[in-house]
Amino acid sequence: QVQLVQSGAEVKKPGASVKVSCKASGYTFTSYGISWVRQAPGQGLEWMGWISAYNGNTNYAQKLQGRVTMTTDTSTSTAYMELRSLRSDDTAVYYCARNSGDYWGQGTLVTVSS
Amino acid sequence: DIQLTQSPSFLSASVGDRVTITCRASQGISSYLAWYQQKPGKAPKLLIYAASTLQSGVPSRFSGSGSGTEFTLTISSLQPEDFATYYCQQLNSYPLFTFGPGTKVDIK
Repeated sequence: QVQLVQSGAEVKKPGASVKVSCKASGYTFTSYGISWVRQAPGQGLEWMGWISAYNGNTNYAQKLQGRVTMTTDTSTSTAYMELRSLRSDDTAVYYCARNSGDYWGQGTLVTVSS
Repeated sequence: DIQLTQSPSFLSASVGDRVTITCRASQGISSYLAWYQQKPGKAPKLLIYAASTLQSGVPSRFSGSGSGTEFTLTISSLQPEDFATYYCQQLNSYPLFTFGPGTKVDIK
């Protein structure tokens, strides 16, 4: 069965970086892109960007350009999302999802606090 | 960038009610729209894609319609497990996707 399993919760200080992983199983990893979506406490869903697992092409939401990098490791079927220069308003649950929207990771809480 | 609005933002309804949620796009997006359901503490669940295609395993009381700039999600007879927040997402400007602000469906 298709699964996306994300890394555990993180607590970071303002200005630091965080890297969240998303390990895929149950399907051919390179056949689907991976989207990253975040949700601040009590807020709606925010699409962060997308990476092609086939060729590594990326597209990021304009507001995150310059702070976010998405990568994949096809040898381990794992996608990564790194966010730099963290601010308090980056506190959120971060989700990975298969590009078709039908499978999602369980979410990773990233807390940014001094 | 394509912007999505949803109405209402909050809806109070009873079990058995017919519920309709509207999603409007700032420009035409053909049928490139999906609907998700999210319950507290859980990842979103895909209900509808391509505006009107029911995702496998989703109950038939859910339906979607529309094209261009106006779309609707209808729940024909609200069940207790349907109380949740619903989001639309446009996929027209691939691969730059955006979500609507959400509609919370609560128990009357």
